[in-house]
Amino acid sequence: RKEVEQDPGPFNVPEGATVAFNCTYSNSASQSFFWYRQDCRKEPKLLMSVYSSGNEDGRFTAQLNRASQYISLLIRDSKLSDSATYLCAAAANQAGTALIFGKGTTLSVSS
Amino acid sequence: DAGVIQSPRHEVTEMGQEVTLRCKPISGHDYLFWYRQTMMRGLELLIYFNNNVPIDDSGMPEDRFSAKMPNASFSTLKIQPSEPRDSAVYFCASSSLRDRFTGELFFGEGSRLTVL
Repeated sequence: RKEVEQDPGPFNVPEGATVAFNCTYSNSASQSFFWYRQDCRKEPKLLMSVYSSGNEDGRFTAQLNRASQYISLLIRDSKLSDSATYLCAAAANQAGTALIFGKGTTLSVSS
Repeated sequence: DAGVIQSPRHEVTEMGQEVTLRCKPISGHDYLFWYRQTMMRGLELLIYFNNNVPIDDSGMPEDRFSAKMPNASFSTLKIQPSEPRDSAVYFCASSSLRDRFTGELFFGEGSRLTVL
């Protein structure tokens, strides 16, 4: 099984800041990519999918660069409630039936 | 609608004891996954099932680990004998054929295992 690697973090930013997380994947057969959010001592939950054309959901923007096997997540105007661990995930195979996760990057937003 | 249900939520046991973790997936979901999460190794895929059949168990660390899915509404992950290095949070997740395209795995709250 190939790896998914993320910035180690932690990221400590003030409210209102823009923060970017990066992730690389090594399995070129992966076709699907995602960002999950995990609150402290909770289960991971899907934040957003990552499309080749890039996609935006409010303050969150995800980008995919297949040539570099690189995924990013940009959070604009950080809120206290954005404090969490962000997990990058890639499909384990072309069928996309299982996901391989990075170790996660912790974000702490302070007032 | 009930989510993925795992039990026990917490388990403390001694080295050498058998541990059984249980999972009830979301009704109608045909994929079930077992993950393990530690600070050192992150969230690791152990095994997953499709329609109750194990598809990939290459992530199962050793023969001490086994998983079963006797029917669509129940799965177990068993560790026998347990060792301190098995201490982790074990997550069960489920998804449907449609969800795999959206990437949404629905996780249970996890079973926190401590092996002394």
